Amino acid sequence: DGGITQSPKYLFRKEGQNVTLSCEQNLNHDAMYWYRQDPGQGLRLIYYSQIVNDFQKGDIAEGYSVSREKKESFPLTVTSAQKNPTAFYLCASSIAGAGSNTEAFFGQGTRLTVV
Amino acid sequence: EDQVTQSPEALRLQEGESSSLNCSYTVSGLRGLFWYRQDPGKGPEFLFTLYSAGEEKEKERLKATLTKKESFLHITAPKPEDSATYLCAVQAGRDDKIIFGKGTRLHILP
Repeated sequence: DGGITQSPKYLFRKEGQNVTLSCEQNLNHDAMYWYRQDPGQGLRLIYYSQIVNDFQKGDIAEGYSVSREKKESFPLTVTSAQKNPTAFYLCASSIAGAGSNTEAFFGQGTRLTVV
Repeated sequence: EDQVTQSPEALRLQEGESSSLNCSYTVSGLRGLFWYRQDPGKGPEFLFTLYSAGEEKEKERLKATLTKKESFLHITAPKPEDSATYLCAVQAGRDDKIIFGKGTRLHILP
């Protein structure tokens, strides 16, 4: 089945630690995205990538880093510089470029908690 | 700056009571407007894409419409299982950036 897989579903981080969230897709999509969702809030864009080996900062990139070495994979690292990392993290992918059918499809999310 | 605003923030309806959710947007060069449904603790589920003013899409009890400044998600005779948060998003400009509104929490009472 085609889709987007995020892992783990739940993640606990100690203060000062870096953690990496996994996102893999087998939809052959060029574009991939990371969003953060806080309670009662919409989705805020962290980073996005339109093509392998290239990515752009979203609205809240500080304290996060990404890589895009393979088309299928877009891991997100939450660094110790992120002061309030507890949140629900969502990864998505879409067809890149102009035209139709550019909607994004989402994984089931990773809930990160700082302990 | 591109912006997406959804209203109301929350809406409680009786089963069978029809209503509409609003999504207003300020963007340069709209490429697409998307509606999603999100259940608690889950990722958003894609519902509709609208590309140009005047376009309409329907799926079961939901109908999405688009004007040059806003979109409406009409829900007709809703059922309790329609309870969810409904998110609106836009894709604009030359890159593939997709920006979301804060959503409308819809609760349908039996």
